[in-house]
Amino acid sequence: GAVVSQHPSWVICKSGTSVKIECRSLDFQATTMFWYRQFPKQSLMLMATSNEGSKATYEQGVEKDKFLINHASLTLSTLTVTSAHPEDSSFYICSVSSLAGTDTQYFGPGTRLTVL
Amino acid sequence: QKEVEQDPGPLSVPEGAIVSLNCTYSNSAFQYFMWYRQYSRKGPELLMYTYSSGNKEDGRFTAQVDKSSKYISLFIRDSQPSDSATYLCAMRANTGGFKTIFGAGTRLFVKA
Repeated sequence: GAVVSQHPSWVICKSGTSVKIECRSLDFQATTMFWYRQFPKQSLMLMATSNEGSKATYEQGVEKDKFLINHASLTLSTLTVTSAHPEDSSFYICSVSSLAGTDTQYFGPGTRLTVL
Repeated sequence: QKEVEQDPGPLSVPEGAIVSLNCTYSNSAFQYFMWYRQYSRKGPELLMYTYSSGNKEDGRFTAQVDKSSKYISLFIRDSQPSDSATYLCAMRANTGGFKTIFGAGTRLFVKA
């Protein structure tokens, strides 16, 4: 499977500030990356799907202006939470896929965001 | 009705027990079935991946898919305390994009 890293692993920020989370595919050409958020004891909620070099596709109910996604290369995608508020506090996880036939998703270790 | 139903548990078993984790689904188009293991505050780790119906075995883990009943299972033999985690089932269709649907996850505790 693919090796995926996320940075930072944990971030605390003040309300109103913006936070950028990086997702890197270390050994895999990721044509597609996914961003999820997960609240405690709940399952993964898909936020958006991004394909390298094109705009992300956001799930219904996810504010694209608040959660900015950039997938500039086959190994890097970033999620920026703009003007963060306490309700944005969550566990954000990215995954990668080559979108080729039966390939599945490989997840990063996640980033815990706490907004004060 | 959710597309994928999974009992959140928690499920508590003694060390050495056989664990059975299950999911049901409603979309007959699902062809690919996965099981992920997620430790607390970590990303999910792919455990098993199966296509269509049948069984797949990998060490102490066995995945079963019964498409006629829309039911999938993950069996863990000789369970260990290190198996304590949340297990998520996931599935997707072969067409209509690449959207994977996840179950809610079952929390498993294996007591030493």
